Amino acid sequence: GQNIDQPTEMTATEGAIVQINCTYQTSGFNGLFWYQQHAGEAPTFLSYNVLDGLEEKGRFSSFLSRSKGYSYLLLKELQMKDSASYLCAVRRYSTLTFGKGTMLLVSP
Amino acid sequence: NAGVTQTPKFRILKIGQSMTLQCAQDMNHNYMYWYRQDPGMGLKLIYYSVGAGITDKGEVPNGYNVSRSTTEDFPLRLELAAPSQTSVYFCASSYSRKTSGNQETQYFGPGTRLLVL
Repeated sequence: GQNIDQPTEMTATEGAIVQINCTYQTSGFNGLFWYQQHAGEAPTFLSYNVLDGLEEKGRFSSFLSRSKGYSYLLLKELQMKDSASYLCAVRRYSTLTFGKGTMLLVSP
Repeated sequence: NAGVTQTPKFRILKIGQSMTLQCAQDMNHNYMYWYRQDPGMGLKLIYYSVGAGITDKGEVPNGYNVSRSTTEDFPLRLELAAPSQTSVYFCASSYSRKTSGNQETQYFGPGTRLLVL
């Protein structure tokens, strides 16, 4: 089976940096995705890690440690529009198992 | 490119009624997926398909059926609607090559909100 844990909620201030953690236990691993989901909308792809290390994409970075079953999403220079739910998903072959998501609230 | 489209956007069903949620993609993706999302919960995989004529169960398939007669379309059928099927349903698609290192990012449709009363 698969078990994925993320914090339920986080708050941060505009312009700050926030790190959203994800830990997983899985019987198979083919990569880890991060998706962003605004309220009432569909998830949209943010990042993908398959090897250990940091992947950087503009204001967003994602880190993976396969030996520790751990990933994080780092958001820099937070903007109000970053208020959303962030979903961690582990890929096993061609299916994804999602965590419950972390609701991030960015305040002025 | 419209991407992944879903119809209807919102529907109210009575207990015991049946309906089909439509999903189509125009990206020539071979893999398609159906998820449901309940408040405060992550996405749960209902069914998926790796190509026309091939479907497989996900984590929560009970009460649902699917078919994949074309590459583009992947409808989800609810035969006897129950209140427990009240949820938001997302369809997604991805492209898979039979080579290692393929990312297979899933792209999601806008969702169908279903209320069963």
